[in-house]
Amino acid sequence: DAKTTQPPSMDCAEGRAANLPCNHSTISGNEYVYWYRQIHSQGPQYIIHGLKNNETNEMASLIITEDRKSSTLILPHATLRDTAVYYCIVRGISSGSARQLTFGSGTQLTVLP
Amino acid sequence: KAGVTQTPRYLIKTRGQQVTLSCSPISGHRSVSWYQQTPGQGLQFLFEYFSETQRNKGNFPGRFSGRQFSNSRSEMNVSTLELGDSALYLCASSLVRVDSTGELFFGEGSRLTVL
Repeated sequence: DAKTTQPPSMDCAEGRAANLPCNHSTISGNEYVYWYRQIHSQGPQYIIHGLKNNETNEMASLIITEDRKSSTLILPHATLRDTAVYYCIVRGISSGSARQLTFGSGTQLTVLP
Repeated sequence: KAGVTQTPRYLIKTRGQQVTLSCSPISGHRSVSWYQQTPGQGLQFLFEYFSETQRNKGNFPGRFSGRQFSNSRSEMNVSTLELGDSALYLCASSLVRVDSTGELFFGEGSRLTVL
């Protein structure tokens, strides 16, 4: 599985959009980009995933560049409850790809009042 | 519907002991995967069970083992505990296997401290 690179921390004002970047320059064609978040002392929570098209759900939007080497998670109107560590991972769908499933350090997003 | 339940939430053991952690997946989910999360290494995949069979295994020593029962509940065992095994152990359930595109639903974890 490809590795991902994320900034260690970001701040965002409450009510503003939070844009969290992720680089995955070695992503392969059958790997999806997933975003999870983890609030302190809880398990990771699924946010969104995509292959190559932009995706939107009730929580967030995912923008994937055309070359698929990077993506941005957008929380349109951040609230204090969105303060968490956000993980960008890539997941393959080939047999055995799970062995390399890891979450890196992620981005600590702090939403400020 | 009920989420993923992990027990116990917290436990303290000493070096050399063994520990068993339990995970009850969401009803209908057949895949249970286990992860170790530490500040230094992040969250790493341990293994996955699907329909009572281990399907994938991460790069961990044989001291880490698991099993899955017919009701999809899973247990993870760590024998001969070492200080470095102190971590948050998470399990996740899914309708499909981990090496596919299904969503993973995580429990709140079992925090193990080895003294």
